[in-house]
Amino acid sequence: EVQLLESGGGLLQPGGSLRLSCAASGITFSNYAMCWVRRAPGTGPEWVSSISNSGDTTAYADSVKGRFTISRDNSKNTLYLQMNSLRVDDTAVYYCVKRVTARGGAFEIWGQGTMVTVSA
Amino acid sequence: EIMMTQSPATLSVSPGERATLSCWASQSVSSNLGWYQQKPGQAPRLLIYGTSTRATGIPARFSGGGSGTEFTLTISSLQSEDFAVYYCQQYDKWPLTFGGGTKVEIK
Repeated sequence: EVQLLESGGGLLQPGGSLRLSCAASGITFSNYAMCWVRRAPGTGPEWVSSISNSGDTTAYADSVKGRFTISRDNSKNTLYLQMNSLRVDDTAVYYCVKRVTARGGAFEIWGQGTMVTVSA
Repeated sequence: EIMMTQSPATLSVSPGERATLSCWASQSVSSNLGWYQQKPGQAPRLLIYGTSTRATGIPARFSGGGSGTEFTLTISSLQSEDFAVYYCQQYDKWPLTFGGGTKVEIK
């Protein structure tokens, strides 16, 4: 069974930093692109960032570009999201997502999410 | 940015009836379109990818169609577990974007 387990969420003040992790099991992690998606309270899903299977290609939503960095360690089956200069509007549940193919595709498997709250 | 528009915002349907949800893209996304179901307190679940391919374990009552800029999700006979919010999403071009969702509620 495929499992994606996010961790690292929490409560912090604007301007702070946080690193989310996502541990994958039940898949050959290095074969698939991965991404992060967030859902703010009362809104629909918002794609945040994607990374190819090898890590050579990354992409970001304009709302996080320059502040967030996606990375992966295929030897540890783990995906990361480094979040800097956090803002109140970054408050959301953050989901780790496995994509269908090595380079992209639909969002096939979702973790249960980790909550990030940014508040003064 | 490709804008995704869903209609209707809310669909009231009786169990056993057919439901048809619509999704439009502001420019062509080829067949790179997915549908997701989300229930309260749960992560979204992939139903359909590539416009019309059911994801693993998805019942045959869910079907997707369309191409280019106009897409549909049809649930042939609604079951109690199908009442949820449904989102379409394009993964053709960055930034990857979702529609605003259609809530399917019990009539």
